[in-house]
Amino acid sequence: DTEVTQTPKHLVMGMTNKKSLKCEQHMGHRAMYWYKQKAKKPPELMFVYSYEKLSINESVPSRFSPECPNSSLLNLHLHALQPEDSALYLCASSQGGRTSGRITGEQYFGPGTRLTVT
Amino acid sequence: GQNIDQPTEMTATEGAIVQINCTYQTSGFNGLFWYQQHAGEAPTFLSYNVLDGLEEKGRFSSFLSRSKGYSYLLLKELQMKDSASYLCAVRNFNKFYFGSGTKLNVKP
Repeated sequence: DTEVTQTPKHLVMGMTNKKSLKCEQHMGHRAMYWYKQKAKKPPELMFVYSYEKLSINESVPSRFSPECPNSSLLNLHLHALQPEDSALYLCASSQGGRTSGRITGEQYFGPGTRLTVT
Repeated sequence: GQNIDQPTEMTATEGAIVQINCTYQTSGFNGLFWYQQHAGEAPTFLSYNVLDGLEEKGRFSSFLSRSKGYSYLLLKELQMKDSASYLCAVRNFNKFYFGSGTKLNVKP
């Protein structure tokens, strides 16, 4: 099973709202990622968790707050977003390496959450 | 910086063979990945090369030359459902860098 699930599929929120995106995988992967993708553009890396620890933050604004409660779950908390944050938010996972937290193997993507900020 | 180049768009005929090229210049290299993405959907993993040479998976094959910073994805016996964007991505330790993608149009 190479499934990564994400909820919700669609989300519309106002600029003053607080919402969360959720991601789950049961492949035993120890690396999990958040990407943002605008129409006709490639995915842009936001955050990487390796063994439940945040290992990469690509200078993402603080209105996006990631959380990894355990090795199967990844959340993205949203607060005071801007209309330009409207995009497809993709979660992905891959096997974790066993030395220096290096990540190995291909990534499997979830179906994404289509976010619209009004 | 990281630079990954792919053609923007290609058109091919059903049943034919098409080759999508990818060139890269990155500060590090731990593998090159190919993904398929249909409009509005998530990328789907197709193929992965870490050593030079050809990897074959059914109708899809991918080739890598690390010395030339070059890869290609070969799609055989094209089907209409192969119309999609194809993304080349380079892994550098814990990061994946994506090219802008090649939109493939398959016509009858």
